[in-house]
Parts: sequence; structure tokens; C-alpha cells
Amino acid sequence: AQSVTQPDIHITVSEGASLELRCNYSYGATPYLFWYVQSPGQGLQLLLKYFSGDTLVQGIKGFEAEFKRSQSSFNLRKPSVHWSDAAEYFCAVGDVGSARQLTFGSGTQLTVLP
Amino acid sequence: DAGVIQSPRHEVTEMGQEVTLRCKPISGHDYLFWYRQTMMRGLELLIYFNNNVPIDDSGMPEDRFSAKMPNASFSTLKIQPSEPRDSAVYFCASKMRGLSGGYTFGSGTRLTVV
Repeated sequence: AQSVTQPDIHITVSEGASLELRCNYSYGATPYLFWYVQSPGQGLQLLLKYFSGDTLVQGIKGFEAEFKRSQSSFNLRKPSVHWSDAAEYFCAVGDVGSARQLTFGSGTQLTVLP
Repeated sequence: DAGVIQSPRHEVTEMGQEVTLRCKPISGHDYLFWYRQTMMRGLELLIYFNNNVPIDDSGMPEDRFSAKMPNASFSTLKIQPSEPRDSAVYFCASKMRGLSGGYTFGSGTRLTVV
């Protein structure tokens, strides 16, 4: 069965600093990977996704993620964090064959200090 | 496109009452998913539909939960009778056919059972 681990429950960074959120997955075949962001009281918004091709994926709001098969990782990065990036971030893995279901990680809460 | 629309946004009900949550997916999307989010268990897939047909309901916690999709533009999740442990945020998401289609989430319904 597929699974996703986000080892950091909570991360605090200063505005303008760089950010990396970790995501490790377990899946038997080529995974279909996502990062979502959830602001308080809101639904999940798709930041970016990977299912083939270039392992460095660009997303919205200046985010990017790199797929590393050897490490089973799909870490999310941003070179300079803005106060509006404070939110909860979820990594998810789906089935390339069916792309029907997503399995979500437990999320990482990001706090941005002024 | 108005996105995935859920109603109500908030619902407070007494234990034992019937609760109905509603979802309107994005037009043209073939898949519809119901998720539940709690602090303890994170995001859990409850059930999903493909072309209005329930495909996998293994995540539905108990017989008190039921979901229907009478047509391509409407789905309901019903809890009868409701219990305090059902308190959570319930999300609906839809997706178009194919690998390139991402999941679009609604803003969720926050259910409180007292």
C-alpha cells in the first residue's frame, strides 16, 4: 500500500528565508506526487504535481519540488518565504495507473516570523 | 468556473440527528471524492465515485454514513444518526479523467455534533 511521511509537524522560518518541506513516500511503482496547501478555514489548493518527465517541478506561488527516486522523496522548496505562505502543507501520492485516489501525509504546519 | 461547491460551510447539530452534506463538483469532472479531516487522523478518504457510480467505499467508517451521487453535478454525504466523534471537516473533491487532471477541493463543511 502506498504511504506518505512528512517528518516535520511544524516548521518556523523568518520571512525572506528559504524553505524546504520534506516528503517521503512508499510506493511500488512510479508514483504520482502532489503538494497541496491549506490556509485556515479553506480547502486544499494544488501547488504542483509530478507524474513524469523533468524531476524538478515548478508550481504556483514560487514553489518548486524535486522528485528523487533513489531517496523516495519529493521535497517542496521556496527560495524566499513570504508571510502569506503561512499555512499547512500536505504531500500526497497517487497511483499512476489509475490516478484515482490520493494518500495524504499528515501535513506540515508552516509559521512565518516577521 | 466556480470550483467545487460545498454546503453548508458550517453545521452544528445535536447527537442523534441526521446530517446531510452537499457537493457540486466541477462540470466535466468524472471523479468525485469525499474526505474527512480531523486532528487525530488527518485526511481520510471516505468514498469516491466514477461517473456517478460508487467505486470504493471502504473508508466509510460505519453504516451510519452513506453517500450518493444521483447525477454528475451533485453528491451528498449523509450521517444518520450523528455522534460527537463525527465532528470534523468534510471535504469534497473532483477530478477529470486522465493522469493530467488534478484534484480540486471544495472549501469543506465543518461539522460539529454536540
